Amino acid sequence: ETGVTQTPRHLVMGMTNKKSLKCEQHLGHNAMYWYKQSAKKPLELMFVYNFKEQTENNSVPSRFSPECPNSSHLFLHLHTLQPEDSALYLCASSQRDRGVGGANVLTFGAGSRLTVL
Amino acid sequence: QKEVEQNSGPLSVPEGAIASLNCTYSDRGSQSFFWYRQYSGKSPELIMFIYSNGDKEDGRFTAQLNKASQYVSLLIRDSQPSDSATYLCAVQDSNYQLIWGAGTKLIIKP
Repeated sequence: ETGVTQTPRHLVMGMTNKKSLKCEQHLGHNAMYWYKQSAKKPLELMFVYNFKEQTENNSVPSRFSPECPNSSHLFLHLHTLQPEDSALYLCASSQRDRGVGGANVLTFGAGSRLTVL
Repeated sequence: QKEVEQNSGPLSVPEGAIASLNCTYSDRGSQSFFWYRQYSGKSPELIMFIYSNGDKEDGRFTAQLNKASQYVSLLIRDSQPSDSATYLCAVQDSNYQLIWGAGTKLIIKP
């Protein structure tokens, strides 16, 4: 495996279900991210883990719960979601603080398409 | 509120012509500037980034940065149908976070 892998690629769940999205990066990066992408909207940053410590939580509802057991794995636990949570959820990783000119270059996984019924 | 603005398009360009995509940003403290390409149903992939005023060229792509006017642009020379995609502009703030535009949809007509 190379790059950033996400599973599952597609997920359909009811509002009372509990599910998890998984992300794994094989790039040796020290930061991982969860983004939400809805149609015609900018990418919304949900969570950031830098050196396994959560450093950002952009007012995300508690029905989304992140977990970062080590620097290569990231989970997003989902429970009692709403239909408006249907979107593409993107995981990304980067090597913060060491990019050329200080650039924080993100590498994205293929995404998990979530549909909440 | 830090913002990044892009024209949503679609921008239609004939094959072989130059496609010009523009992006403006609000935060003067922004440090690095990125262009990502996203094909329909796929995830964003990095085209290039720039952090100094002026032009940066990579193959058929040229990024242009003007910090005084707070805009960054992407030129695609000799446009190909395979360049048809949504182009996302992202701006890095002083906390290393990326602020994203909503993207411009580009259509290259054969």
